[in-house]
Amino acid sequence: DAKTTQPPSMDCAEGRAANLPCNHSTISGNEYVYWYRQIHSQGPQYIIHGLKNNETNEMASLIITEDRKSSTLILPHATLRDTAVYYCIVRVDSMGSARQLTFGSGTQLTVLP
Amino acid sequence: KAGVTQTPRYLIKTRGQQVTLSCSPISGHRSVSWYQQTPGQGLQFLFEYFSETQRNKGNFPGRFSGRQFSNSRSEMNVSTLELGDSALYLCASSPRFLDTKDYGYTFGSGTRLTVV
Repeated sequence: DAKTTQPPSMDCAEGRAANLPCNHSTISGNEYVYWYRQIHSQGPQYIIHGLKNNETNEMASLIITEDRKSSTLILPHATLRDTAVYYCIVRVDSMGSARQLTFGSGTQLTVLP
Repeated sequence: KAGVTQTPRYLIKTRGQQVTLSCSPISGHRSVSWYQQTPGQGLQFLFEYFSETQRNKGNFPGRFSGRQFSNSRSEMNVSTLELGDSALYLCASSPRFLDTKDYGYTFGSGTRLTVV
């Protein structure tokens, strides 16, 4: 699976949009981009994933660049409960592929009141 | 519906002992994965089970083992505990193993193991 690069930490004001970048310049054509987050002392929580089109769900939006070498997770109106470590993961998603998630160091997002 | 349940939540063991951790996946989920999380190494994949068979294994010594039962519940065992085995052990479940669309894993809250 391709390696990802994320900033170690970011701050965001409560109520504002949080934009978390992820670089995955070696991503292959069949690799998806996944985002998980981990709130302190809890298990990681799935947020969103995509292949090449932008995706949106009730939690967040995922913007993937046209060349797919980077992506941005957007939390439209960050709250204090969004303070967590956010992980960007890329992996193949096909029949028979190994299904483990390879976590990097992630980005510690701190939402400030 | 109930989430992924891991027991116990906290555990203290002595070096050299063995330990068994339990994971009950979401009802209907048949794939269970285990991860170890430490401050130094982060989140690392241990192994995955589906239909009572280990499908994938991470780079951990043979002291780490697991199994899955017919009801999809899973246990992992660590024998001859070392101080470095102190970690948060996380279990994750997903609906299917061979699928062209990943719906995302659901993780439990983990078992915090401390080896003294």
